[in-house]
Amino acid sequence: DQQVKQNSPSLSVQEGRISILNCDYTNSMFDYFLWYKKYPAEGPTFLISISSIKDKNEDGRFTVFLNKSAKHLSLHIVPSQPGDSAVYFCAASDASKTSYDKVIFGPGTSLSVIP
Amino acid sequence: NAGVTQTPKFQVLKTGQSMTLQCAQDMNHEYMSWYRQDPGMGLRLIHYSVGAGITDQGEVPNGYNVSRSTTEDFPLRLLSAAPSQTSVYFCASSWSSGVYTDTQYFGPGTRLTVL
Repeated sequence: DQQVKQNSPSLSVQEGRISILNCDYTNSMFDYFLWYKKYPAEGPTFLISISSIKDKNEDGRFTVFLNKSAKHLSLHIVPSQPGDSAVYFCAASDASKTSYDKVIFGPGTSLSVIP
Repeated sequence: NAGVTQTPKFQVLKTGQSMTLQCAQDMNHEYMSWYRQDPGMGLRLIHYSVGAGITDQGEVPNGYNVSRSTTEDFPLRLLSAAPSQTSVYFCASSWSSGVYTDTQYFGPGTRLTVL
């Protein structure tokens, strides 16, 4: 059973609008979350992270929101640009196992930003 | 600074053949890992290494071998390829395995098809 879920395999957004990518998790021990971005024919690159002591983290156009009670996080991209078209992976780390070999990845959401 | 490099980019094998996927990094990172990415699934960890001479199994190690004789190189060996090993393989590296402290960098991937 997947511990990290991204229930929308794909999302299309008009350029300039907000993109919202969602991620749900089942393990209440997860306390650190990461988002990666992946272009075709390239490897994933780290985008932004959030610790469970926060409910929001912002980096430029990218903001991640965490709702611990709902076990839900979301990545907001404002405004969306065509260069944001990529697959976005959500990943989670357990508070008791803070090493990369214990990070669980979601299946990804493919974002298309339409000019 | 080339970062994480992987060769080959594409490979087609017949069932039962063996091959080695190459991974190298020039950032003097201690931690290296191999993932596979399959449709509808997140990245899954195959093997990882916390330093030269030290390797360990990840979530899906069966059918794969690794060794780490130098800091720079971390090859992944398929002993007897099976169609279930058709996937995209990513190598990654970071200074340490610490999720809170270090960014993980991914190579561009190897797309493997086993007939």
